[in-house]
Amino acid sequence: DAGVTQSPTHLIKTRGQQVTLRCSPKSGHDTVSWYQQALGQGPQFIFQYYEEEERQRGNFPDRFSGHQFPNYSSELNVNALLLGDSALYLCASSQSGKLYEQYFGPGTRLTVT
Amino acid sequence: KQEVTQIPAALSVPEGENLVLNCSFTDSAIYNLQWFRQDPGKGLTSLLLIQSSQREQTSGRLNASLDKSSGRSTLYIAASQPGDSATYLCTGQNFVFGPGTRLSVLP
Repeated sequence: DAGVTQSPTHLIKTRGQQVTLRCSPKSGHDTVSWYQQALGQGPQFIFQYYEEEERQRGNFPDRFSGHQFPNYSSELNVNALLLGDSALYLCASSQSGKLYEQYFGPGTRLTVT
Repeated sequence: KQEVTQIPAALSVPEGENLVLNCSFTDSAIYNLQWFRQDPGKGLTSLLLIQSSQREQTSGRLNASLDKSSGRSTLYIAASQPGDSATYLCTGQNFVFGPGTRLSVLP
């Protein structure tokens, strides 16, 4: 049973560029949440996707957007990258009836120079 | 706005000690709580989940409890081992995480 997978593992971008991160949920899960984790801090909730729609959103600007596909996989897009966007981006999946039980992927380390 | 506090922020102990990590929520309406561990630069690994009908959960040397009246949870680690060294994080059903407790268990 495959767990949550994320790609790429590492990414280096320049300020002002755009980036797309990808996530495949655990088998049987239909909900995907994205988190940003700065060094030394806990993860911060960006948004959650269910049935191909954004259901909940944290306190992040519109530069952060996402998408969910019919197979439940998801993308996180960040436009106009800032140095402060450098972080570990984590994807978590869950079942719609048990959103509080999350399983996390290994993360994508984004460095903005 | 929900905020989560974790105490202590960091802990360094010799192998074999029993440990208590604490997590508290400003909004005590916490019905479901999940504890995770995170190794440096890695994703989060679920340790224990306390659901709305439960007050505590146990897995091996780990025990977690939740006091819903106060919004406080405790993670108890028995007979700590060097492999337990990691950052421990808690979250409720509203996706807000604490800053974590960095644990180092010395051989």
